[in-house]
Amino acid sequence: AQSVTQPDIHITVSEGASLELRCNYSYGATPYLFWYVQSPGQGLQLLLKYFSGDTLVQGIKGFEAEFKRSQSSFNLRKPSVHWSDAAEYFCAVDTSGGGADGLTFGKGTHLIIQP
Amino acid sequence: NAGVMQNPRHLVRRRGQEARLRCSPMKGHSHVYWYRQLPEEGLKFMVYLQKENIIDESGMPKERFSAEFPKEGPSILRIQQVVRGDSAAYFCASSPDYQETQYFGPGTRLLVL
Repeated sequence: AQSVTQPDIHITVSEGASLELRCNYSYGATPYLFWYVQSPGQGLQLLLKYFSGDTLVQGIKGFEAEFKRSQSSFNLRKPSVHWSDAAEYFCAVDTSGGGADGLTFGKGTHLIIQP
Repeated sequence: NAGVMQNPRHLVRRRGQEARLRCSPMKGHSHVYWYRQLPEEGLKFMVYLQKENIIDESGMPKERFSAEFPKEGPSILRIQQVVRGDSAAYFCASSPDYQETQYFGPGTRLLVL
């Protein structure tokens, strides 16, 4: 069965520093890949997605992610974080047609921004 | 263009009561997904519906839970005889077509006393 692993439960970064959140997936083919962000008590907002083509995708709020097939990874990056980036980040895969029709989510990475 | 709407945002029920959660998809979207988020967990897929049809309910508990998406009106997730373990955030997402990007609503936080 497909699965998504986000190895870091919590990450603390200083404001202005660079950020990388890790995501690995397990699936036989290339899935559709997503990163969502959730602020406390809120719904999920789509940051970016990868369906095909260029493996480096740009998203909103200055985020980008790179799909690496050989590593089954889809890591999220931002060159300089802002205090407003503090939130929960979820990586997800869509394996419709090869598994359940919904998204499979990782357990999330809680991002803390230090002043 | 309004986003996905869910109501109520917060719902408190006593054990044994029924909970009804409503989801109105984005305009032009005919595909609806329900997810459950337990504390400290990611979201878990429950059910995928199109208008008047349940397409995939592989993530739905076998008892007490049901979902519908009628021709007119919002999608409804219904939980009968709620138990404390049903306390969670329930999110709805919609998409314009199969395998298209899903857009999420703000969620309904269910608390069972």
